[in-house]
Amino acid sequence: EVQLVQSGAEVKKPGESLKISCKGSGYNFTIYWIGWVRQMPGKGLEWMGIIYPGDSDTRYSPSFQGQVTISADKSISTTYLQWSSLKASDTAMYYCARRGDYYDSSGYYRAFEIWGQGTMVTVSS
Amino acid sequence: DIQMTQSPSSLSASVGDRVTITCRASQSISSYLNWYQQRPGKAPKLLIYAASSLQSGVPSRFSGSGSGTDFTLTISSLQPEDFTTYYCQQSYRTPFTFGPGTKVDIK
Repeated sequence: EVQLVQSGAEVKKPGESLKISCKGSGYNFTIYWIGWVRQMPGKGLEWMGIIYPGDSDTRYSPSFQGQVTISADKSISTTYLQWSSLKASDTAMYYCARRGDYYDSSGYYRAFEIWGQGTMVTVSS
Repeated sequence: DIQMTQSPSSLSASVGDRVTITCRASQSISSYLNWYQQRPGKAPKLLIYAASSLQSGVPSRFSGSGSGTDFTLTISSLQPEDFTTYYCQQSYRTPFTFGPGTKVDIK
């Protein structure tokens, strides 16, 4: 079974660092892009960035560039999302998702087809 | 960034109703449009990609249409499990922005 399993909920204080993980299984981890999506409490979905585990090529949304770091360790089929100094505004559910690539005569389409269960991050003093 | 809007932001309907949700992009995105369903406390689920292609395993009562800047998601006959929130997403250019969501609740 193809799945993404994320690390557990975290409670941190402002200024602390954090690294959460997303482990893939049931497929060749190195050849699918993995993205990260933020969902603040009661709010919508925000695309944060994406990484190709095969060579760690990474793209960030301008809104999150410099605020987080996305990385991968293909030897253990795991991607990471990390913060060096958390803020209260980082309180949110964070999802990882595998990007599926679909080709037809009219184009090359991409969508998040497999999702992790989410990691809740709470930042509070 | 490409901005995505959805309308309505919420709607009330009954089991068996036909429901249409609209998504609009701030610029032309061809058919690079996805739809997701998210139930409370759960991760989103891909319903439709490339504006109109049904993801494997998704019931055929869901359909998508549109191209350019205007898109629709239609649920032909609402089932009890469909009362939840739906998001569109453009996959034309990074960042692949999402719409703000449409909540479908029971009338």
